[in-house]
Amino acid sequence: GQQVMQIPQYQHVQEGEDFTTYCNSSTTLSNIQWYKQRPGGHPVFLIQLVKSGEVKKQKRLTFQFGEAKKNSSLHITATQTTDVGTYFCAGAGGTSYGKLTFGQGTILTVHP
Amino acid sequence: GAVVSQHPSRVICKSGTSVKIECRSLDFQATTMFWYRQFPKQSLMLMATSNEGSKATYEQGVEKDKFLINHASLTLSTLTVTSAHPEDSSFYICSACRSSTDTQYFGPGTRLTVL
Repeated sequence: GQQVMQIPQYQHVQEGEDFTTYCNSSTTLSNIQWYKQRPGGHPVFLIQLVKSGEVKKQKRLTFQFGEAKKNSSLHITATQTTDVGTYFCAGAGGTSYGKLTFGQGTILTVHP
Repeated sequence: GAVVSQHPSRVICKSGTSVKIECRSLDFQATTMFWYRQFPKQSLMLMATSNEGSKATYEQGVEKDKFLINHASLTLSTLTVTSAHPEDSSFYICSACRSSTDTQYFGPGTRLTVL
């Protein structure tokens, strides 16, 4: 079945440093979505990438979808303490339309 | 728009009892709802896909008779954990979408503790 690998599992940064998390899928995806989950909370949708090579920005967050639609990355510039949480990528594809396969998540800690 | 609620938010029960969790789409009709389970510091694992008016599709390894899913209307899906045991203790999260091509909107989750 489809697998989505996400690295790193943990990332500790000083406030102001940049942060990147990467996802790789075992199969070609129809789209990839990114979510943020604060401690004790539920996943909150950040963005969806659909097109090959797509790049989208949300303020300090930059999302990329690979040309082969099998990998993606989330980059945060100049992290802030409010960026703390777990970032998940989730891939959609294959015959199970709409079904998402989540990556393991990257737990981001930002030290002030 | 696109708000999903879950009830209860937290439940503690004794081993052997059954627990029902409700997932509601408050301001849209959800043709499809998904049920996930999340253990501490782990990812979301899809348990089943629920389509209104039809039987749920369970992921491999998920017991249909233990995790009963009902999607009786376009705004409500329920997950019943039957004969719960301590190993069923987890964070159960539902999501809902308008169609199979729509973004999934997640509920706030239900934390189940089985004593």
